[in-house]
Amino acid sequence: DQQVKQNSPSLSVQEGRISILNCDYTNSMFDYFLWYKKYPAEGPTFLISISSIKDKNEDGRFTVFLNKSAKHLSLHIVPSQPGDSAVYFCAAKKGGSYIPTFGRGTSLIVHP
Amino acid sequence: DVKVTQSSRYLVKRTGEKVFLECVQDMDHENMFWYRQDPGLGLRLIYFSYDVKMKEKGDIPEGYSVSREKKERFSLILESASTNQTSMYLCASEWRENHEQYFGPGTRLTVT
Repeated sequence: DQQVKQNSPSLSVQEGRISILNCDYTNSMFDYFLWYKKYPAEGPTFLISISSIKDKNEDGRFTVFLNKSAKHLSLHIVPSQPGDSAVYFCAAKKGGSYIPTFGRGTSLIVHP
Repeated sequence: DVKVTQSSRYLVKRTGEKVFLECVQDMDHENMFWYRQDPGLGLRLIYFSYDVKMKEKGDIPEGYSVSREKKERFSLILESASTNQTSMYLCASEWRENHEQYFGPGTRLTVT
């Protein structure tokens, strides 16, 4: 039973446009959310996070939005660049737990 | 910069062999994790450790064991490798007070 779902396995976007990656979760105990980026043959790297007490967090071209009532978060990348082409994983953690629950990932391709 | 290293990038083993995967982190992190990544399945937690000699099972511990004799080193052991353990293995570490995980580059293990 997937508690964190990334329903789009892949996304294709033109360079310069906005990329929106979505993530849904079912466990209302999750209170911290993270996005990781993974290039082929490399380990994931942390990108951005958000606590459940916020609804938005920005870091340069990357913004994460959290809608707690809908149990939905999204990652916006503006403007998208070819170097953003990677697999993006959403992860969620419960307060007091060491263990994140990961989604299955969305492969983003940004075309020049 | 945090550095997490894994002993091998690529490994080929025969069915029934005992396999050791080593992970070392250089930032004095308390928590360490072993995941496997398979296409379409995302990151699945095998084991994690929150202190020296302490370990907890993750979602898919069957066929694996771990060892943490020193804080910086976390080893994953496949007691008798099987073909269904062919996968990408990722090690990660994190500060207990922080939510961000730092990943190693991964070990691509093939069991023939």
